[in-house]
Amino acid sequence: KAGVTQTPRYLIKTRGQQVTLSCSPISGHRSVSWYQQTPGQGLQFLFEYFSETQRNKGNFPGRFSGRQFSNSRSEMNVSTLELGDSALYLCASSPQFSGANVLTFGAGSRLTVL
Amino acid sequence: DQQVKQNSPSLSVQEGRISILNCDYTNSMFDYFLWYKKYPAEGPTFLISISSIKDKNEDGRFTVFLNKSAKHLSLHIVPSQPGDSAVYFCAANWGAQKLVFGQGTRLTINP
Repeated sequence: KAGVTQTPRYLIKTRGQQVTLSCSPISGHRSVSWYQQTPGQGLQFLFEYFSETQRNKGNFPGRFSGRQFSNSRSEMNVSTLELGDSALYLCASSPQFSGANVLTFGAGSRLTVL
Repeated sequence: DQQVKQNSPSLSVQEGRISILNCDYTNSMFDYFLWYKKYPAEGPTFLISISSIKDKNEDGRFTVFLNKSAKHLSLHIVPSQPGDSAVYFCAANWGAQKLVFGQGTRLTINP
């Protein structure tokens, strides 16, 4: 079956702009999580959605937001971009949570802010 | 507050030898621990997990050991192969829907 699909794969923006990233989870997976990866920081949790509801949120400013649609597809938005927002943004999906929360990740969207 | 820490940013191992990657955590409420592997330009892929009620889990060349009293876990890869060269992330979760990840360790297997 198809994996987690993220679009776009690469994008370049300038400071002050906003960006929207898209994620299509594995068919049947209802939970979608977003992570930010930067060198030396590992994967930092942004937020998690289940059935269109945000269930968990990480320690990121309000400029970072997301949503999930009825078909489980998810988008995240970053407004008023800063240089420090340059990172790889990873989306992951999982089925109904049970035991170890094994996430399946997409290849990521690499954002460069100039 | 870094609840999951991987203190070694990089590790270099000879092909055929054992690779040992380490991870420390601070939250005693974590009930599952996972290891992920990441190649450049790809998302992380799940490797192996262990429940907090166990102290060892094995899957082929990969074994994870958990020492709850020391709040420490390790991943052993035996024998190491060139294809194992990647960044390895340790992760943990407890009840909630998010995984907490470490900073990652870059493993290089030398021929």
